[in-house]
Amino acid sequence: KQEVTQIPAALSVPEGENLVLNCSFTDSAIYNLQWFRQDPGKGLTSLLLIQSSQREQTSGRLNASLDKSSGRSTLYIAASQPGDSATYLCAEGQGGSEKLVFGKGTKLTVNP
Amino acid sequence: EAGVVQSPRYKIIEKKQPVAFWCNPISGHNTLYWYLQNLGQGPELLIRYENEEAVDDSQLPKDRFSAERLKGVDSTLKIQPAELGDSAVYLCASSLGAARNDEQFFGPGTRLTVL
Repeated sequence: KQEVTQIPAALSVPEGENLVLNCSFTDSAIYNLQWFRQDPGKGLTSLLLIQSSQREQTSGRLNASLDKSSGRSTLYIAASQPGDSATYLCAEGQGGSEKLVFGKGTKLTVNP
Repeated sequence: EAGVVQSPRYKIIEKKQPVAFWCNPISGHNTLYWYLQNLGQGPELLIRYENEEAVDDSQLPKDRFSAERLKGVDSTLKIQPAELGDSAVYLCASSLGAARNDEQFFGPGTRLTVL
């Protein structure tokens, strides 16, 4: 069974700090990797999508990387703000199917 | 542009009662997904539609769950009868479907509580 693991499960940082969220996956035939944000009681907001042929994607203060050989992806958030507080989920687009396999998420708290 | 719309947002029912959730995907999106999210977990796929065809329903508990997407646009997910363990958030997502593993866009979800 393919698995996606996110570490740490929770992270608390002071405002302005740069931070990295980690995601590891076991499927070497990954098609893409997608990072989402989920606010309490809300649905998922897509942040970044990295195709298997790419190594990174950037959007504003967010940068996501993908290393297929090591089975890892990272989400880098620069100059964190209290509004960044949410749960961040990574999801692997699996080879041979159209479904996403999700990690359990990292709950981020940015303290003013 | 409107996102994925789901209703109701919240539903509380007693066990053994039926319940239905509705989803309207982003206009032009051919692929529609239903996911189940338990507390503290990531979403898990229940069923995927390509237009009106269910192409992956391997994770759908068919004894009590059913889904339909009759005209290839809106979709309904039904549970009958509901059990206590069905309490969760039911998320609908859609994608263009033009290429494998297109970016998926999610609705706000329906939070189901079974008493």
